[in-house]
Amino acid sequence: IAGITQAPTSQILAAGRRMTLRCTQDMRHNAMYWYRQDLGLGLRLIHYSNTAGTTGKGEVPDGYSVSRANTDDFPLTLASAVPSQTSVYFCASSDGTSGIGEQFFGPGTRLTVL
Amino acid sequence: GQNIDQPTEMTATEGAIVQINCTYQTSGFNGLFWYQQHAGEAPTFLSYNVLDGLEEKGRFSSFLSRSKGYSYLLLKELQMKDSASYLCAVMDSNYQLIWGAGTKLIIKP
Repeated sequence: IAGITQAPTSQILAAGRRMTLRCTQDMRHNAMYWYRQDLGLGLRLIHYSNTAGTTGKGEVPDGYSVSRANTDDFPLTLASAVPSQTSVYFCASSDGTSGIGEQFFGPGTRLTVL
Repeated sequence: GQNIDQPTEMTATEGAIVQINCTYQTSGFNGLFWYQQHAGEAPTFLSYNVLDGLEEKGRFSSFLSRSKGYSYLLLKELQMKDSASYLCAVMDSNYQLIWGAGTKLIIKP
């Protein structure tokens, strides 16, 4: 693994189904983030984690949950998917020790909820 | 509220220079980032400005004026591979990035 990986690459999901998007990084970064990107809108932060064991809500957290059991993994779960959650989801990480640092992005997961 | 504004789309000619502007209003300021995003790919880091002035990195330069809430990204000697979206993002007082919607840059031969 080099950098950040996300799985799956893409997914079509029926409304009401539960789905977990996986994110793994091997850079030993403290901070990790989940964004969604929709056409015409900027990246919007869903949830973040400044360090293993802690998580926080971003701009659009409703309908999503996260966990950070260890440094490397930061899964995003949709408990009951709805069509408005159709989007491209990016996971990112940063060193974050001083709060300042570029974010490195995974390749994204394209999710379609029908 | 927090707001980042940048043009939706710009067109430029191969070999020319283009300037992409970004204005912002945020709760606090801990620096401004520019990212490049090719279609269907992830954003990649280009530059970071926290002090006023110009930062030059090869063909790309980024300028910041904190008093005006303004930044620009300058791309010189444009190449076809520079066709991409350019994202402006400001780190707010909570060290979270607030993102603009991006500027799609189209390069014509």
